[in-house]
Amino acid sequence: DTGVSQNPRHKITKRGQNVTFRCDPISEHNRLYWYRQTLGQGPEFLTYFQNEAQLEKSRLLSDRFSAERPKGSFSTLEIQRTEQGDSAMYLCASSLHQGQPQHFGDGTRLSIL
Amino acid sequence: QKEVEQNSGPLSVPEGAIASLNCTYSDRGSQSFFWYRQYSGKSPELIMFIYSNGDKEDGRFTAQLNKASQYVSLLIRDSQPSDSATYLCAVFSGNTPLVFGKGTRLSVIA
Repeated sequence: DTGVSQNPRHKITKRGQNVTFRCDPISEHNRLYWYRQTLGQGPEFLTYFQNEAQLEKSRLLSDRFSAERPKGSFSTLEIQRTEQGDSAMYLCASSLHQGQPQHFGDGTRLSIL
Repeated sequence: QKEVEQNSGPLSVPEGAIASLNCTYSDRGSQSFFWYRQYSGKSPELIMFIYSNGDKEDGRFTAQLNKASQYVSLLIRDSQPSDSATYLCAVFSGNTPLVFGKGTRLSVIA
């Protein structure tokens, strides 16, 4: 399967801990996106990369959130000092070019105890 | 602020009927329009995209775009119980990320 891959699928952690998620995009896609989705809402944009460059970050992305895509391939999203409000599904998507369809991974569901 | 509006539903249709899902958007400069299907607890799955005014058909699905009225719709013909899901409309406007609506929940009754 050459789709978008996300790990882990589920993460349960205590408030205040740090967590890191990984996303492997479709191999030829140079654009990679992170979204967050809570129940009853559509995905909300967090940040995106073109190759290794992080081109935009949402105002939703506080300084506790950081994302990297060091070699323009996989990406990581880290949340430091997690809070209850961080509980959500974190989705990664990739696309070949700007404006073209984005394909999503299965997501990482984060639960903060 | 760019907005995408969808009726949250639920929209209930009998099996075999046509389901019609609608979406309006605020940015007149929007260029690309996408429909995603999302089953409960799963991630969004792309089912249709459209760039130009008019209709685009793919199997049982037809996307319709009217840029003058700033709406995009999705028709599902011969609806099946397996089509029961939340349908997300997403809009791309130039150098900005995709903006998603909150989704319409569709229920196809056997």
